[in-house]
Amino acid sequence: SAVISQKPSRDICQRGTSLTIQCQVDSQVTMMFWYRQQPGQSLTLIATANQGSEATYESGFVIDKFPISRPNLTFSTLTVSNMSPEDSSIYLCSVGNGGPEAFFGQGTRLTVV
Amino acid sequence: TQLLEQSPQFLSIQEGENLTVYCNSSSVFSSLQWYRQEPGEGPVLLVTVVTGGEVKKLKRLTFQFGDARKDSSLHITAAQPGDTGLYLCAGGGGYQKVTFGIGTKLQVIP
Repeated sequence: SAVISQKPSRDICQRGTSLTIQCQVDSQVTMMFWYRQQPGQSLTLIATANQGSEATYESGFVIDKFPISRPNLTFSTLTVSNMSPEDSSIYLCSVGNGGPEAFFGQGTRLTVV
Repeated sequence: TQLLEQSPQFLSIQEGENLTVYCNSSSVFSSLQWYRQEPGEGPVLLVTVVTGGEVKKLKRLTFQFGDARKDSSLHITAAQPGDTGLYLCAGGGGYQKVTFGIGTKLQVIP
């Protein structure tokens, strides 16, 4: 399976600022996704990162708040904009190649103060 | 929207005990996956079940897919502290959205 690296692994940020999370895969992948996992909760899909076009957002998530880039088949970024304490969460990058299985990075633990 | 319900949500047992975790849906899934997530890490895939009635074994873990492909179970025999973690079932995937259950948080006490 692909090796997925996320940076940063954790960060503490001031409210009102923005943080960009990077996801690098060691091989080309068809699908890349971004998830949020709030404390003690399961995973919620934020969006599908589409190469060369705008991401596809799930209900409740918007591009202005969570802009996503995917310039090629191995890299994507998620920005959490104008952060508030409610954005404190684990953000996870996930990849797939058309099969049912999803493979995850180690996650980014974000704390907004 | 396809939903997956997991039970129990929390489980604390002594080392050596057996346990079963359930994943249920009113929808039919072409396959279901089970993941384990440890603190500070992303979920790690344990198994995919595809055929109704299928049983897969991974050491002390036994996974079963319901005949109607609407439910699945995970049975752990003689649980060890290393089994501690969040167990997630998931369905969908491929070029479709993956649906995750709420998870079962397992604690195995030495």
